[in-house]
Amino acid sequence: AQSVAQPEDQVNVAEGNPLTVKCTYSVSGNPYLFWYVQYPNRGLQFLLKYITGDNLVKGSYGFEAEFNKSQTSFHLKKPSALVSDSALYFCAVRDPEAGASKIIFGSGTRLSIRP
Amino acid sequence: DGGITQSPKYLFRKEGQNVTLSCEQNLNHDAMYWYRQDPGQGLRLIYYSQIVNDFQKGDIAEGYSVSREKKESFPLTVTSAQKNPTAFYLCASSGQMNTEAFFGQGTRLTVV
Repeated sequence: AQSVAQPEDQVNVAEGNPLTVKCTYSVSGNPYLFWYVQYPNRGLQFLLKYITGDNLVKGSYGFEAEFNKSQTSFHLKKPSALVSDSALYFCAVRDPEAGASKIIFGSGTRLSIRP
Repeated sequence: DGGITQSPKYLFRKEGQNVTLSCEQNLNHDAMYWYRQDPGQGLRLIYYSQIVNDFQKGDIAEGYSVSREKKESFPLTVTSAQKNPTAFYLCASSGQMNTEAFFGQGTRLTVV
């Protein structure tokens, strides 16, 4: 069965510093991986995805993520954090070889950027 | 304007009552989903549907029911069998498997 883990409930970073939000996954085949962001009392907004190809993918608002198959990880990164990046971030996975549309989300990581 | 619409935004239910949450999309997506969000527990999958007239249970389907009579609509009923229904409910839809899901703005259900 597919699963996603976000090991950190909260990440605190000073504005201007690089940030990393961690995600590991478990699927039977090659995964489709996604990152979303959620602001208070709102739905989720898509940031970026890895389907195939280059392991480093770039997305919205200057975020990027690196797919590492050997470590089954898909960590979200940004070179220079902004206070406005403070939000709840979710990693998600689909397993195309499972033959279903099921999308599983991690437990979320709250990112807090201090001025 | 293409998108996914959930209604109502806030819903109050008395204990023992069934309530239905609406989810409509005009994105022509085949797949639709319902998730429950509780503080510190992330998003948990309740039900999902890949095509009209077909749906599958997710990880926490007990106490919930769904229907998919039209491609655009995927309503969720929270039944009286759901012992702890107070939560934030999110509906989503997606196209092909290598595409991202689009989310509605959520319905906050409170039992009073």
